[in-house]
Amino acid sequence: NAGVTQTPKFRILKIGQSMTLQCTQDMNHNYMYWYRQDPGMGLKLIYYSVGAGITDKGEVPNGYNVSRSTTEDFPLRLELAAPSQTSVYFCASRPRQGSNQPQHFGDGTRLSIL
Amino acid sequence: AQKVTQAQTEISVVEKEDVTLDCVYETRDTTYYLFWYKQPPSGELVFLIRRNSFDEQNEISGRYSWNFQKSTSSFNFTITASQVVDSAVYFCALSEVRAGANSKLTFGKGITLSVRP
Repeated sequence: NAGVTQTPKFRILKIGQSMTLQCTQDMNHNYMYWYRQDPGMGLKLIYYSVGAGITDKGEVPNGYNVSRSTTEDFPLRLELAAPSQTSVYFCASRPRQGSNQPQHFGDGTRLSIL
Repeated sequence: AQKVTQAQTEISVVEKEDVTLDCVYETRDTTYYLFWYKQPPSGELVFLIRRNSFDEQNEISGRYSWNFQKSTSSFNFTITASQVVDSAVYFCALSEVRAGANSKLTFGKGITLSVRP
């Protein structure tokens, strides 16, 4: 089972460039999430989606955009990369039923903005 | 607002020692879920345990045990006879539960555990 797949695993961007972090899951999960992890700061929620066509902001949405055209895919877009966006990004998903269900995480994308 | 506090930032022990990782949470909800995740040096996040607010029974799974106490809003994690492979960052997380809620996870800052041979 593939679970949650994130691509790329590593990327270096120049300031002002744009890119899309890809996330896809094959578990037919309705809920999907994007987090960023900064050293010593835990994970902070950027955006989340409860189903295709529905997205909402999390704790730290500035500088990012998302879309959810299918159940499987939840890409995260950086339009104008800034050094403050250097971080490790995690995508996660979980089924709709049961708030007690754990989120399944991808392996992360390590992004550096120089 | 929800909050998860992991006051310990780094812990270093020698192999075979027991170690307890502390987690204190804040929530106004009467129903909620608590989780522990492990992040080994390879970077992925591994789910360890889930506990709901109705169930204060302690749980043991092999060398791992969890102590949930609502009275002190704590959900502590103990590793018995630690091993080098236990070296990782451990996160405690809290999930709200409401009708139609999106069950967002609030994470603590994590505890870096180093187990020396």
